[in-house]
Amino acid sequence: QSALTQPPSASGSPGQSVTISCTGTSSDVGGYNYVSWYQQHPGKAPKLMIYEVSKRPSGVPDRFSGSKSGNTASLTVSGLQAEDDADYYCSSYAGSNNNVVFGGGTKLTVL
Amino acid sequence: QVQLVQSGAEVKKPGASVKVSCKASGYTFTSYGISWVRQAPGQGLEWMGWISAYNGNTNYAQKFQGRVTMTTDTSTSTAYMDLRSLRSDDTAVYYCARERPYYYYMDVWGKGTTVTVSS
Repeated sequence: QSALTQPPSASGSPGQSVTISCTGTSSDVGGYNYVSWYQQHPGKAPKLMIYEVSKRPSGVPDRFSGSKSGNTASLTVSGLQAEDDADYYCSSYAGSNNNVVFGGGTKLTVL
Repeated sequence: QVQLVQSGAEVKKPGASVKVSCKASGYTFTSYGISWVRQAPGQGLEWMGWISAYNGNTNYAQKFQGRVTMTTDTSTSTAYMDLRSLRSDDTAVYYCARERPYYYYMDVWGKGTTVTVSS
């Protein structure tokens, strides 16, 4: 059982928007602004998409955005494209004992 | 360009140890740390721990404490992850990833090393 809870799947048609949630507790997501999101295509290494809740690394399209409210973080992908079809994982700092925790992952399908 | 190059696939018997390497290039190795993350077949990501390349300080996930050792060699810009007493459920792809101290996100990842534990 993962420390952070994500829906197993999400889907949308090309051009649509989809939001993936990531629910934790006040000891991780709710307690720190250190939520990040990773995209992983089959057989590939994860790729950083969002860090510190809402910041985008250089090269990540602005179709990807992040936010947080209380103990739940969200990743929104706008203007869905075929290449967005992938697994998405959230992670959060969880304090000096647990350090970093991941969500179980969400399989995003572009219909 | 910034990259992390990991060692090749390993097959180990239960009870054995495995040491995976991760060679960094394209950046100042000692300005960052290295996190190790594993992914069992068909499963999600699992954080194992982090090591500072500056001073060798480590943070291990509670689950792996006592069984994992992370080290670095600054002369070769290489990080190592040593996992002992292997079990079948340690079968996974092991990734190293660059992580700046106190920033808690991994911005560059290695391609992964497959470790298979089987009798």
